[in-house]
Amino acid sequence: GAGVSQSPRYKVAKRGQDVALRCDPISGHVSLFWYQQALGQGPEFLTYFQNEAQLDKSGLPSDRFFAERPEGSVSTLKIQRTQQEDSAVYLCASSRDTLWPQHFGDGTRLSIL
Amino acid sequence: AQSVTQLDSQVPVFEEAPVELRCNYSSSVSVYLFWYVQYPNQGLQLLLKYLSGSTLVKGINGFEAEFNKSQTSFHLRKPSVHISDTAEYLCAVSRGAAGNKLTFGGGTRVLVKP
Repeated sequence: GAGVSQSPRYKVAKRGQDVALRCDPISGHVSLFWYQQALGQGPEFLTYFQNEAQLDKSGLPSDRFFAERPEGSVSTLKIQRTQQEDSAVYLCASSRDTLWPQHFGDGTRLSIL
Repeated sequence: AQSVTQLDSQVPVFEEAPVELRCNYSSSVSVYLFWYVQYPNQGLQLLLKYLSGSTLVKGINGFEAEFNKSQTSFHLRKPSVHISDTAEYLCAVSRGAAGNKLTFGGGTRVLVKP
């Protein structure tokens, strides 16, 4: 596709369950970012990949959060033992490299009951 | 650490009236500045960016912004808004390179009234 694709668009899970969120970046884009957007707030950085290497994971809020991009294209954000405070929209963005602005997907809205 | 402040959380404005959304940032190194628009249940769309050069930047949908280094501001303006401009507007900065991780402000919700 022409843009960044995220799936699922909506995810409802019970507290304590594990969830996996997928991001398909624009083809050929080297850089991939994950952001978390709580209701009524701006997005906050979670983690950054350059190809398959995770170069920055300083924004991950706890060790329950894990991200991977094993082949340098599709990325998965996994949250283990979900908590209510994990409820948010998770945005994925990609760019050609660090010289270019990021393109965002439509996000996954995660609701933890 | 850098921060981005959007002073107005919500701005009501009548159709065809002008609007200005304020954004201030703090950083001790060179920054790259962006405005994004977010429609309900959608991702972020880039409105405009300041990378270097002219401090007046023109973007899509008739928006423009002015980079003011001395005041560390990057305010967004549109001379005449449409109903379709109702959305969330997010100011963001990256440090060191245009494609580095973004730090966002809290957002300004623009509500255009007929």
